[in-house]
Amino acid sequence: DIQMTQSPSSLSASVGNRVTITCRASQSINKYLNWYQHKPGKAPKLLIYAASSLQSGVPSRFSGSGSGTDFSLTISSLQPEDLATYYCQQSYNTPPETFGQGTKVEI
Amino acid sequence: QVQLVQSGFEVEKPGASVKVSCKASGYIFTNYAMNWVRQAPGQGLEWMGWINTDTGSPTYAQGFTGRFVFSLDISVSTAYLQISSLKAEDTAVYYCARDNYDSSGYHYFDSWGQGTLVTVSS
Repeated sequence: DIQMTQSPSSLSASVGNRVTITCRASQSINKYLNWYQHKPGKAPKLLIYAASSLQSGVPSRFSGSGSGTDFSLTISSLQPEDLATYYCQQSYNTPPETFGQGTKVEI
Repeated sequence: QVQLVQSGFEVEKPGASVKVSCKASGYIFTNYAMNWVRQAPGQGLEWMGWINTDTGSPTYAQGFTGRFVFSLDISVSTAYLQISSLKAEDTAVYYCARDNYDSSGYHYFDSWGQGTLVTVSS
């Protein structure tokens, strides 16, 4: 199975800061990488699919990049509503649909 | 709009069974597979498996075979997750999530239910 490793596991940043979360796959997954935002008590929300495609309705301050084994999610200007845990997920070699362990973003 | 509405909070004793429902609306139910994802307390998201809503064929992730059953009722656009012989470690929030594909073949979970908390306690 493909393993997904995110870093950092948590971070604290100020409103307006640029934040980057990284995700590394244990083998090449081309661009089969998705990012989700999960706020406490809410349903997870798709932010980015195919490594860099912004899901409809997601603010443009979110962006994704990478291919192969190394990926990143960037929030260009952190907002208070971005408090959440962010997960990457590989959809290349499935099943299983492997998630990273999550990155908790605190404001 | 696409909506997945799950059944409410459940409290069950060890050894009992529970059935969580996920009712879909706003799209053709049989055109999209349905996934199940678990989040145990303090843990991350864990994919449990998926069910082909066209054929009813389920696929279970490792660790979710035997006591976990995915099923459908196409007539009411609803997917179900049944867990039998409940254990304390089954305490978690369970989510259903719709599987979607884009024109290039990339797939992702584009809609999620609100989650169902299942608590197993004596």
